[in-house]
Amino acid sequence: RKEVEQDPGPFNVPEGATVAFNCTYSNSASQSFFWYRQDCRKEPKLLMSVYSSGNEDGRFTAQLNRASQYISLLIRDSKLSDSATYLCVVKLISGTYKYIFGTGTRLKVLA
Amino acid sequence: DAGVIQSPRHEVTEMGQEVTLRCKPISGHDYLFWYRQTMMRGLELLIYFNNNVPIDDSGMPEDRFSAKMPNASFSTLKIQPSEPRDSAVYFCASSPGTGVRYEQYFGPGTRLTVT
Repeated sequence: RKEVEQDPGPFNVPEGATVAFNCTYSNSASQSFFWYRQDCRKEPKLLMSVYSSGNEDGRFTAQLNRASQYISLLIRDSKLSDSATYLCVVKLISGTYKYIFGTGTRLKVLA
Repeated sequence: DAGVIQSPRHEVTEMGQEVTLRCKPISGHDYLFWYRQTMMRGLELLIYFNNNVPIDDSGMPEDRFSAKMPNASFSTLKIQPSEPRDSAVYFCASSPGTGVRYEQYFGPGTRLTVT
């Protein structure tokens, strides 16, 4: 079983739609959680951190459920520019300190 | 700040040749990470350094891969000899610390093709 699992998609949604991505992680030593965005042939960039109480940044909302080891990202009012791959990232602090990346969920927003 | 700098951006080489990838982290960042990304396996951590010292190299696939960080502003990842299955995008990333909120900043990557 992969340490961080995501539905690869692709999710094809019309402009203005709301779309949600889910991610599950298996390591209970997971301490911090992030969503990164990666555009085609570019490097990953931080979209937002995920806090235990949930957090919002404009059209983006992230949720964490530690009991179920589950993270989600909700995008409201999708824009064409939101088309990208969204990577769920778990940071472990157990002996060593490393980030584990999911393989990503591809989103395509259609005009 | 210029961000994380990697070179070369593209490398095409023949099987058996030595390949050296280079990285300059963001100034003041104490942590440096090397990743490999493929379609099949996604982003995989190869090795990371703290204050120029290798901390965890458990992701280095085999002895053909080696990484060094001679000073705070430079790191290399070497593959010798290279094989076609090493073809991937190699990213370098740096981070300012270990606190739970610290993110990683990625370089633009080196796209390696081994024929």
